[in-house]
Amino acid sequence: SQTIHQWPATLVQPVGSPLSLECTVEGTSNPNLYWYRQAAGRGLQLLFYSVGIGQISSEVPQNLSASRPQDRQFILSSKKLLLSDSGFYLCAWSPSLRGGRVAQYFGPGTRLLVL
Amino acid sequence: KNQVEQSPQSLIILEGKNCTLQCNYTVSPFSNLRWYKQDTGRGPVSLTIMTFSENTKSNGRYTATLDADTKQSSLHITASQLSDSASYICVVSVSGGSNYKLTFGKGTLLTVNP
Repeated sequence: SQTIHQWPATLVQPVGSPLSLECTVEGTSNPNLYWYRQAAGRGLQLLFYSVGIGQISSEVPQNLSASRPQDRQFILSSKKLLLSDSGFYLCAWSPSLRGGRVAQYFGPGTRLLVL
Repeated sequence: KNQVEQSPQSLIILEGKNCTLQCNYTVSPFSNLRWYKQDTGRGPVSLTIMTFSENTKSNGRYTATLDADTKQSSLHITASQLSDSASYICVVSVSGGSNYKLTFGKGTLLTVNP
């Protein structure tokens, strides 16, 4: 069966510090990978998605970046965190099939608090 | 603009009671609609997926309905349990072969009290 891991689970960082969140998927090959942010009282916002190694698409311009160094590894980074980067970050994967019927499977999330 | 509106924003019910959550969408062209359950501090978990040709889909005590004509969906929870306390998110997918262009509602926060 497939599993998705995220770490860390919780992170408290000062403004201006760097960020690196990691997501890995097990039990599948060539998945589509996604990074979402969920702010309090708001819906999930897609930040980045990737259909393959080194292929990253950005949905929202911001000071965050994403990388996919390996097939099942997705990393969310920032060089300098802003207060507005605080939120709940979710990684998700889906089979690399075209067609919208395929579900996205979410990881446990990382709670980021920027002070 | 593609939008998904959910109501109510929050709901409190007693254990054992039934409840219905609503979702209205303006996504076009429509591909499918999904309901997710998100426990506090956890990632969302898929409950149901429906295409425009499916009027109803059940998953245990959860039953989702879809009216593609009026662009409305509902999630009915029967005989609620304390573990049903969570946020329920309606997600709509745009037709066109992409699995990553999803529009999320803000969710309905359900609290089931003993």
